[in-house]
Formats: sequence, C-alpha cells, structure tokens
Amino acid sequence: KQEVTQIPAALSVPEGENLVLNCSFTDSAIYNLQWFRQDPGKGLTSLLLIQSSQREQTSGRLNASLDKSSGRSTLYIAASQPGDSATYLCAVRGNAGNMLTFGGGTRLMVKP
Amino acid sequence: GAGVSQSPSNKVTEKGKDVELRCDPISGHTALYWYRQSLGQGLEFLIYFQGNSAPDKSGLPSDRFSAERTGGSVSTLTIQRTQQEDSAVYLCASSFSRESYNEQFFGPGTRLTVL
Repeated sequence: KQEVTQIPAALSVPEGENLVLNCSFTDSAIYNLQWFRQDPGKGLTSLLLIQSSQREQTSGRLNASLDKSSGRSTLYIAASQPGDSATYLCAVRGNAGNMLTFGGGTRLMVKP
Repeated sequence: GAGVSQSPSNKVTEKGKDVELRCDPISGHTALYWYRQSLGQGLEFLIYFQGNSAPDKSGLPSDRFSAERTGGSVSTLTIQRTQQEDSAVYLCASSFSRESYNEQFFGPGTRLTVL
C-alpha cells in the first residue's frame, strides 16, 4: 500500500525566504505526482503535476522535482510572500487504480 | 471556464438521516473522483468514475456509502443512516481522462456535520 509522508508538518518563515517542502512515498511505481495548495476552508488548487518520466516542473516561483527511484519530491518556493501561506499537499497516482494518495500536508506561514 | 462545483457547501444533519452530496465536474471531463478529508484521517479516496461506470469503489468505507453518475457528468454521493464519524469535508475532483498525464482538479468541497 502506498504511503506518502510530508515533512515538515508545519513551517514558519519570514517573507522573502526561499524554502523547500519535502514529500516522500514508499512505492516508486507511480504514474505521476501532483502538488496542491489548500487555503483554510477551501478546496485544493493544483500547482504542479510531474509525470513519472519527468525530473522537474516549474511554474513561476514554484519548482517541483521528482526522484522516483528514491521515492522523493520537493517543492521549492522562491522569494516567499505572505500570500503563499497555506497548506501544501503532495499526492501520488500509482499503478493500482487512478486515485491519488495524499500526504498529510505542510502548513506554511510566511510572516510579513 | 467554470471549475468543479459542489453543493451544498455546508450540510448539517442529525445522526441516522440520509444525505446527498452533488458534484458538477468540469465540462468534458470523463473521469470523476470523490475524496474525504477529515481531521484524523487526512485526505482519503472514496470512489472513481470513468463515464458513468465506477471501476474503483475501493475507498467507500461502508455499504452506507454509495455514488452514481449520470450522463457522464453530474455525480451524487449518498450517505445513508449518517453517523458522527461521517463528519468531514467531501471533495470531488475531475480530470479529462484517466490517462496519467491528466491533472485532477478539485471542487470547493461539502462540509458535512453529523450531530
């Protein structure tokens, strides 16, 4: 059974810092990995999707990398802003079925 | 274009009552997913539809839970004889197809509270 872990569970940084969120998964046989953002009381916003054949994806200040063989992904946020404050979730789609298996999330607070 | 929509946004019900939650996927998306987000369990998969059929129901927690999809579009998740442990946010997602390169796009969720 696929298990997804995110470290740290919570992170507080001053505005302007570059930061890295970590995601690890136990079964490396994945189709893709998605990073999401969730604001309090809201649904999930898709940030980046990395296919299993890809090493990284970039969107604006966000860069996600994937090392499938070691079961790890990182989300790099450059020049963090208070508006980046949210919970960040990673999710993997494996071989067994089409559903996503989610990590527990990293709750990010960027202080002005 | 319109995203995934869900209704109601909030539902409060009494233990033992039945509830229906609705999901309208993005137009043209053939795959539809239901997930549940609760404090103790995080985000869990419930059921997956491809068109109107549900090839994967493995996440439904009990036979009190059922879902259907009609016309390859709207889906309804029904919970019968609700229990307090059913309290959670129910999220719906859709994607263009089941192919691996397709992102899943999520709706805002329905917050269910069972008293």
